[in-house]
Amino acid sequence: DAGVTQSPTHLIKTRGQQVTLRCSPKSGHDTVSWYQQALGQGPQFIFQYYEEEERQRGNFPDRFSGHQFPNYSSELNVNALLLGDSALYLCASSPPVSGYTDTQYFGPGTRLTVL
Amino acid sequence: AQSVAQPEDQVNVAEGNPLTVKCTYSVSGNPYLFWYVQYPNRGLQFLLKYITGDNLVKGSYGFEAEFNKSQTSFHLKKPSALVSDSALYFCAVRDYLSARQLTFGSGTQLTVLP
Repeated sequence: DAGVTQSPTHLIKTRGQQVTLRCSPKSGHDTVSWYQQALGQGPQFIFQYYEEEERQRGNFPDRFSGHQFPNYSSELNVNALLLGDSALYLCASSPPVSGYTDTQYFGPGTRLTVL
Repeated sequence: AQSVAQPEDQVNVAEGNPLTVKCTYSVSGNPYLFWYVQYPNRGLQFLLKYITGDNLVKGSYGFEAEFNKSQTSFHLKKPSALVSDSALYFCAVRDYLSARQLTFGSGTQLTVLP
């Protein structure tokens, strides 16, 4: 049973560029959440996708956008990259009928470095 | 707004001794509490959660956590630590208002000394 997968593993970009990160949820899961984990900090919620729509959003600017595909996979896009966007980006998936009691399962993350 | 505090950045314990990693929370409604572990260059791995019922929750790898509503705490425990337990531990909370997002603490680095 494949877990949550993310690509790429590492990415180096320069300020002002745009980046796309990808996530495939755990088998049987239909909900995908994205988190940003800066060095030395806990993950912070960016947004969650369900039925191809953004269902909830954290305190992140509009430079952060996403998409969910019919097969439940998801992309995170970040425009106009800033040095402060350097972080580990984590994708988490959860099962159908997700609510506040469900468990989110995390992928290995994508390490983004902005120079 | 909900929040989580992990008061210890670092916890050191000798192998074979019991370990405790502390977590306190603040939410508006009933809390739903989670513990995750992160190994170097890896994502977060789920250990256990408290939803309702018995205040002592048992999870993976021999870990357990005790929910204390009056002290708003959810401390992670293990009776006998292993060197392989050395990792970064995160406590997280969710309530019915936040529903979909997990709010994480800043993490506690556990080092088990041989």
